[in-house]
Amino acid sequence: SAVISQKPSRDICQRGTSLTIQCQVDSQVTMMFWYRQQPGQSLTLIATANQGSEATYESGFVIDKFPISRPNLTFSTLTVSNMSPEDSSIYLCSVEPGQGAYYGYTFGSGTRLTVV
Amino acid sequence: GQQVMQIPQYQHVQEGEDFTTYCNSSTTLSNIQWYKQRPGGHPVFLIQLVKSGEVKKQKRLTFQFGEAKKNSSLHITATQTTDVGTYFCARTGGGNKLTFGTGTQLKVEL
Repeated sequence: SAVISQKPSRDICQRGTSLTIQCQVDSQVTMMFWYRQQPGQSLTLIATANQGSEATYESGFVIDKFPISRPNLTFSTLTVSNMSPEDSSIYLCSVEPGQGAYYGYTFGSGTRLTVV
Repeated sequence: GQQVMQIPQYQHVQEGEDFTTYCNSSTTLSNIQWYKQRPGGHPVFLIQLVKSGEVKKQKRLTFQFGEAKKNSSLHITATQTTDVGTYFCARTGGGNKLTFGTGTQLKVEL
């Protein structure tokens, strides 16, 4: 299965600022997914990032707030813009399984964001 | 996609006791996956079930997929402290998107 390097692992940010989270995958993948996990909650899909096209956002998430880049098949970034305390969450990237034996979706280690 | 409900939300057991979490969907599922998230960690894939009535085992863990493919369960026999974490079921939908269930948080006491 793919290995994902996600950074930063955590950050404390001032309200009104922006934070960019990066995910690097050790193999080429078609789709990358970005999730938010609020404290004590399940994971909610923010958007799907495809290389060469605009990201597809889920209901309740917009590009102006969560711009995503996908410059190649191994890398993606998610920016949390104009942050407020309500954006304090864990953000995770994920990739779907490759061909062959089924390993499930792989996740980055997550970015724990606190907005003050 | 429609969220999948899990019960219970929390479960506190003594080490050695059994544990079961249930996953329920109002719609038929093409497959169901199970993930474990340790405290402070990220979700880790456990298994995928595809066939109606399917049962799979991994050591002390038994996974079942209902006959109608609308529910699933994860049973842990003789829990250990290493089983602590949150267990999520998840379904795949259009665009290969993975939608997580609400999760069951398991705590194991010595």
